[in-house]
Amino acid sequence: SQTIHQWPATLVQPVGSPLSLECTVEGTSNPNLYWYRQAAGRGLQLLFYSVGIGQISSEVPQNLSASRPQDRQFILSSKKLLLSDSGFYLCAWSVSGRGNIQYFGAGTRLSVL
Amino acid sequence: AQSVAQPEDQVNVAEGNPLTVKCTYSVSGNPYLFWYVQYPNRGLQFLLKYITGDNLVKGSYGFEAEFNKSQTSFHLKKPSALVSDSALYFCAVRADTGGFKTIFGAGTRLFVKA
Repeated sequence: SQTIHQWPATLVQPVGSPLSLECTVEGTSNPNLYWYRQAAGRGLQLLFYSVGIGQISSEVPQNLSASRPQDRQFILSSKKLLLSDSGFYLCAWSVSGRGNIQYFGAGTRLSVL
Repeated sequence: AQSVAQPEDQVNVAEGNPLTVKCTYSVSGNPYLFWYVQYPNRGLQFLLKYITGDNLVKGSYGFEAEFNKSQTSFHLKKPSALVSDSALYFCAVRADTGGFKTIFGAGTRLFVKA
């Protein structure tokens, strides 16, 4: 069966520090991968998605970046965090085809102080 | 452009009563529609989807949703609510014209009172 791992679960970082959040998927090949941010427990904002290794599409210009160094690994990074980067970050995967159900990780709660 | 509207920020219902969480959408082409549920500090979980076929879709935990093409709606329903159904519910849409982007609604918080 397929599983998605996202870590860390919580993170407190000072303003201006770097960020690296990691997401890995097991049990499937060539998944579509997504990073979302959820502010204040409400709607989801799509940040990045990837359809293959090295292929990243950015949805919102910001000081975040994403990379996909391996087929089932998706990393969200920042060189210098801002206060506004605080939020709940969710990684998700899907397989191409009709429906394209997305399966979400447990999320990372990031607090930038 | 694709969009999803969930007109209610919050829905309150008594345990044992039927519940409805509303969703309307806009998409070019035929829609793929989804409902997801989120419990506190967790990721979203898939509940059900509409791709084609029968307008009434049954999903997990006794939930169902009805696709109405003329009203561009996909309301989530359950005949008898449980306290454990209290959570944040998201409607989502993707066009069948290709692409990978799924648009999520802002979410509706469901409170079921014992």
